Amino acid sequence: GAVVSQHPSRVICKSGTSVKIECRSLDFQATTMFWYRQFPKKSLMLMATSNEGSKATYEQGVEKDKFLINHASLTLSTLTVTSAHPEDSSFYICSARGYGYADEQFFGPGTRLTVL
Amino acid sequence: AQSVTQPDIHITVSEGASLELRCNYSYGATPYLFWYVQSPGQGLQLLLKYFSGDTLVQGIKGFEAEFKRSQSSFNLRKPSVHWSDAAEYFCAVVPNSGGYQKVTFGTGTKLQVIP
Repeated sequence: GAVVSQHPSRVICKSGTSVKIECRSLDFQATTMFWYRQFPKKSLMLMATSNEGSKATYEQGVEKDKFLINHASLTLSTLTVTSAHPEDSSFYICSARGYGYADEQFFGPGTRLTVL
Repeated sequence: AQSVTQPDIHITVSEGASLELRCNYSYGATPYLFWYVQSPGQGLQLLLKYFSGDTLVQGIKGFEAEFKRSQSSFNLRKPSVHWSDAAEYFCAVVPNSGGYQKVTFGTGTKLQVIP
């Protein structure tokens, strides 16, 4: 099956710093990648959708200048949380769709971000 | 707008007992339907999916789900629960209307398994 990885799995940073999270499709080409945020005891909230080589499409209420998304290749998308604050602490999950996989998304294992 | 409802926030079952997790959707046409499982601190793992055809779908780990168009439901079942099944379960839908459509997740059901 299709595998998606995320790095790092866990990160702790100081308030005001920026953090980059990587999402990679390991054995398929991801035409589209998605970034979700999951609050404790809550469902997944789609933050943005990115297609390789084009700008990400952000969901309403998500600050695009704060959550920078880059989808530079068919196997890599990055989410950078800029000037992180404690309220940005959350579990961030990426997923990817690829050729031949119809409407199925494959999810990464998630990244736990803690901002002190 | 489409929506997914998982009426049970938390369910507790005894190991070896049967399990049914409810999922109802609201959408004009039959969407694609999915069940995912999430263990604590982990990403989502696909259990099973329904696109079309046979309304009883078999998945991994002994799970199955039945699509009932008349009830707009896609309930997840397992005949005998194992302690390792304790996790959070999410139902999800994608409109079956061509092109990419956003996934809508239910709010999740947390399953606790007691000895």
